[in-house]
Amino acid sequence: DAGVIQSPRHEVTEMGQEVTLRCKPISGHNSLFWYRQTMMRGLELLIYFNNNVPIDDSGMPEDRFSAKMPNASFSTLKIQPSEPRDSAVYFCATHPGQGGNTEAFFGQGTRLTVV
Amino acid sequence: AQSVTQLGSHVSVSEGALVLLRCNYSSSVPPYLFWYVQYPNQGLQLLLKYTTGATLVKGINGFEAEFKKSETSFHLTKPSAHMSDAAEYFCAVINTGGFKTIFGAGTRLFVKA
Repeated sequence: DAGVIQSPRHEVTEMGQEVTLRCKPISGHNSLFWYRQTMMRGLELLIYFNNNVPIDDSGMPEDRFSAKMPNASFSTLKIQPSEPRDSAVYFCATHPGQGGNTEAFFGQGTRLTVV
Repeated sequence: AQSVTQLGSHVSVSEGALVLLRCNYSSSVPPYLFWYVQYPNQGLQLLLKYTTGATLVKGINGFEAEFKKSETSFHLTKPSAHMSDAAEYFCAVINTGGFKTIFGAGTRLFVKA
């Protein structure tokens, strides 16, 4: 398996523009997590899904952020409109799901810069 | 509720010296415990994990950690630091049977020549 695949790896956009980050989970993994990492706040859990259903989105900072998982092989994190303070590295991670005594697997991240 | 506390946001050691990164957790049920490492501009990768069985677990790159239930700790050690060990290290916990990973704040390890 190629692991968790995130795209794009880098994104530079202007303030006010819509940004969409993409994640392809490991096949068979039922749980998917979106994290944001900044120097100031460290690693923050934004939202997670189990069996394509959002379970907890309490970490989503504002209504400008939204996430979807239309099927088991794809998820998106959208920011609309984007602001400079959204600049961060966004990670997607997946896990086999409940009952799995194993770790979460991380993608390489998307480095977002909003200017 | 589960939580993870990593003591020291920055640790600096000399090359060849012992590395000790501290992690304490709280969990109402037996946990699964993990250490992840993050090198610059990369994602998190698993260093080692404890699920069941032997409480001393060995990972990649010469690291090991010991699960001590009485102390609710899972400290990470390496006998001799190498320059390539410079990275950020995250301790994490999952409840047995669960899937949501709770991460500590991370410890950045610096290795001096």
